[in-house]
Amino acid sequence: DAKTTQPPSMDCAEGRAANLPCNHSTISGNEYVYWYRQIHSQGPQYIIHGLKNNETNEMASLIITEDRKSSTLILPHATLRDTAVYYCIVRVAGQTGANNLFFGTGTRLTVIP
Amino acid sequence: DAEITQSPRHKITETGRQVTLACHQTWNHNNMFWYRQDLGHGLRLIHYSYGVHDTNKGEVSDGYSVSRSNTEDLPLTLESAASSQTSVYFCASSGLVGHEQFFGPGTRLTVL
Repeated sequence: DAKTTQPPSMDCAEGRAANLPCNHSTISGNEYVYWYRQIHSQGPQYIIHGLKNNETNEMASLIITEDRKSSTLILPHATLRDTAVYYCIVRVAGQTGANNLFFGTGTRLTVIP
Repeated sequence: DAEITQSPRHKITETGRQVTLACHQTWNHNNMFWYRQDLGHGLRLIHYSYGVHDTNKGEVSDGYSVSRSNTEDLPLTLESAASSQTSVYFCASSGLVGHEQFFGPGTRLTVL
C-alpha cells in the first residue's frame, strides 16, 4: 500500500492561501490522491481527489506533480473555520480499494486571525 | 436529505460487557465502514462491508464484529469490552466507486 508523508502542523494567516504538502513517492499508477479534513470532534469530511490532473472544486484545489510522487492541497482564502487536521490518502478507487483507506496522522492546520 | 447517523453518541460501559454501536445511513450506499480514532493514531479501519451479508476485517479487527443484514445498517459489536477499546468510533459509507466516504458524527466509548 502506498503511504503518505505530511508535516505534522502548519499555520496560515486568515485570508491567505494555505498550501498543504503531501509526499506519496510509492504511489501506484491506479491509485488516486484523496484529501479529507477533520474539524475538532467531528467526523472527517471529504475535500477533493485526483488521479493525474490538477483538480478544483468549491472547497479547494489539488495540484499533483507530473511524476505523481507528491501533491499540494490549496485552500485559496483560509478562514478560521478551516482550522482542522488535513489527511492526504492514496488508494485505489472502488470496492477493491476499500481496505486501503489509510488516514495516518495528517497535518494540523491552524488559521490565525 | 440523506444522512448517516450513529447511536449512542456517548457510552460508558464496564470491562467484559457486550456493547453494540449502531450506524444507519440513508444514502443507499453499498459500502460501509467502521473506524476508531485514538490520539497519535489517526483513524484506523476496524471492519467494512461491500453489501448485504458481506463483511471484511480491517486493520484493527480483533475484539470487534459486524453484521450486515440490510443496506442501511452496519452495527459494530464489542463482544467483551476491554479498556483498550476506549476510543471514538466513526462509521462511514460510500457508493460503489467510493471516491467520497461520508462519515457519521462519531460515538465516544469509555470502557471502565
